[in-house]
Amino acid sequence: GAVVSQHPSRVICKSGTSVKIECRSLDFQATTMFWYRQFPKQSLMLMATSNEGSKATYEQGVEKDKFLINHASLTLSTLTVTSAHPEDSSFYICSAQTAGNYEQYFGPGTRLTVT
Amino acid sequence: QQQVKQSPQSLIVQKGGISIINCAYENTAFDYFPWYQQFPGKGPALLIAIRPDVSEKKEGRFTISFNKSAKQFSLHIMDSQPGDSATYFCAPRADTGRRALTFGSGTRLQVQP
Repeated sequence: GAVVSQHPSRVICKSGTSVKIECRSLDFQATTMFWYRQFPKQSLMLMATSNEGSKATYEQGVEKDKFLINHASLTLSTLTVTSAHPEDSSFYICSAQTAGNYEQYFGPGTRLTVT
Repeated sequence: QQQVKQSPQSLIVQKGGISIINCAYENTAFDYFPWYQQFPGKGPALLIAIRPDVSEKKEGRFTISFNKSAKQFSLHIMDSQPGDSATYFCAPRADTGRRALTFGSGTRLQVQP
């Protein structure tokens, strides 16, 4: 149980285009989902926290208009990178959590490359 | 303010040896102390976690030792195997606010055969 999927696993896009990444909890209802980015050989950096039906809470320094997060249901959250640039190339990872549960379950990640 | 300090940055251990990774924290509101294991190109996976009401938890070859007064907790991997070669993160969390994990900088473990 407690499986989180991400789609796509890899995406290459051209500079200036937008990319959407989906995060799904497959066998549980996620009241909270988190989005992280990870650069090579570095730790995970929290980008934003989203609760189902509410606006996402972004970490300091993360551009809300560039990284659009939608947590439309208890099993789906999406991250849209708008007007992507090469510096947005990174490994994006989501995690999901149920209410009252300490454990966070991570997705397999999405490798974004902007050319 | 660096809330979580993880050490060492990298570690090389012989097969069968003991791997020890440490995590020091500052936020006394943390009440959940997990260790995550991450393989290249994959998302992190929960390895073992402890709550502050116990000082040690063991699951198979993996043990967490927790020292509340020193604000430190550590991961011990007994009988380390080449398959344990990965990056390990401590990521404590407080049960307030966003309830987000605070990741340490990571430890790259290499177990030599």
